Amino acid sequence: GESVGLHLPTLSVQEGDNSIINCAYSNSASDYFIWYKQESGKGPQFIIDIRSNMDKRQGQRVTVLLNKTVKHLSLQIAATQPGDSAVYFCAESLYQAGTALIFGKGTTLSVSS
Amino acid sequence: GAVVSQHPSWVICKSGTSVKIECRSLDFQATTMFWYRQFPKQSLMLMATSNEGSKATYEQGVEKDKFLINHASLTLSTLTVTSAHPEDSSFYICSAQAGATDTQYFGPGTRLTVL
Repeated sequence: GESVGLHLPTLSVQEGDNSIINCAYSNSASDYFIWYKQESGKGPQFIIDIRSNMDKRQGQRVTVLLNKTVKHLSLQIAATQPGDSAVYFCAESLYQAGTALIFGKGTTLSVSS
Repeated sequence: GAVVSQHPSWVICKSGTSVKIECRSLDFQATTMFWYRQFPKQSLMLMATSNEGSKATYEQGVEKDKFLINHASLTLSTLTVTSAHPEDSSFYICSAQAGATDTQYFGPGTRLTVL
């Protein structure tokens, strides 16, 4: 079926390290991908998005990489901080159709000082 | 950035009662709003898609008569959980989108506990 999955349920890093969170998607027709951060008891917070006509997009301390050949998406966080500790979800959709987002299972990032 | 609010933030109710949750886009007009449900340590699961002035489109397995959705204006959508039961206890999150190709912005969520 159409689903977005994540390779690792948890990731623990030291403060200052770079973090890489991975995501595999199954719907080859998906052309829009988003990373969200969710802190406990709160709604998802938009981090960065990328469309399928790009393979890399950078934001402030974050980079999203898209490999359409293997249907793989990753989120890189530079100089990870304790405040980055949260659950990270990737989501996919069909951009022009404005379809609802399909979320992956989530990766819990824990940053220790 | 765009702000989406939800009210209430949390609610506790007795089994058999109905609960209404509001979702508002505060600084933009949302042509589409989405309602999600999230159980502990799980991902968000889409319940329904709501377009202003139209009937909501429900995902497979979601009872439309139990989860009533109204999108009466471009800034407000409501989800009413009718005859709530303990298994309906969950975190309900809405998102709003100005246009089909615009970013979805999420509300802070509503924690529903049914006793």
